[in-house]
Amino acid sequence: ETGVTQTPRHLVMGMTNKKSLKCEQHLGHNAMYWYKQSAKKPLELMFVYNFKEQTENNSVPSRFSPECPNSSHLFLHLHTLQPEDSALYFCASSQREWIKSSYNEQFFGPGTRLTVL
Amino acid sequence: DQQVKQNSPSLSVQEGRISILNCDYTNSMFDYFLWYKKYPAEGPTFLISISSIKDKNEDGRFTVFLNKSAKHLSLHIVPSQPGDSAVYFCAASASSGAGSYQLTFGKGTKLSVIP
Repeated sequence: ETGVTQTPRHLVMGMTNKKSLKCEQHLGHNAMYWYKQSAKKPLELMFVYNFKEQTENNSVPSRFSPECPNSSHLFLHLHTLQPEDSALYFCASSQREWIKSSYNEQFFGPGTRLTVL
Repeated sequence: DQQVKQNSPSLSVQEGRISILNCDYTNSMFDYFLWYKKYPAEGPTFLISISSIKDKNEDGRFTVFLNKSAKHLSLHIVPSQPGDSAVYFCAASASSGAGSYQLTFGKGTKLSVIP
């Protein structure tokens, strides 16, 4: 138990559905992240929020829409996804966003396995 | 193009022996390196890290070695225990240009420690 929870753990959706992934951290952290891990690919950073402000968007398609209403919660809204978006999606948090010489350990949630039909 | 490569998808080691997991990188701007461990149905957890100004960092049974000239790092686990069976991810960091640091991960190596 890392203090980062994700719901749902499994999600199957059609290409025309709208769904959301939820992440909650109980660690008092101020930075939150979404990562994607496709089959046989490494973990890839999607979005970073620091003190509720989005600071990174790694060229993620607009069918993925993040939302960070407060420092404890992070959502990933999904709309008109493609089958190739099927993957494991991990949320992570850290004390704050990592800037030079102040490494902040990232704590990961257990992930959501998403299948797009 | 993968900047962090773990060329061995899997590794089997006898309990009590040394496990050596390897990682190569291509980006010379990377200046901080980490190893994460992942059990099934769980997220990755931080294991050990090393700054580019060092060539070795030790934490109990875990030691990470960095060879900057070869752009290579390795994780040594001595002695290996069955509970070490997991997927190990190598990660490296460099500034994203906006001043923040991002982690670039390898694909992972699945370690099996045989009792």
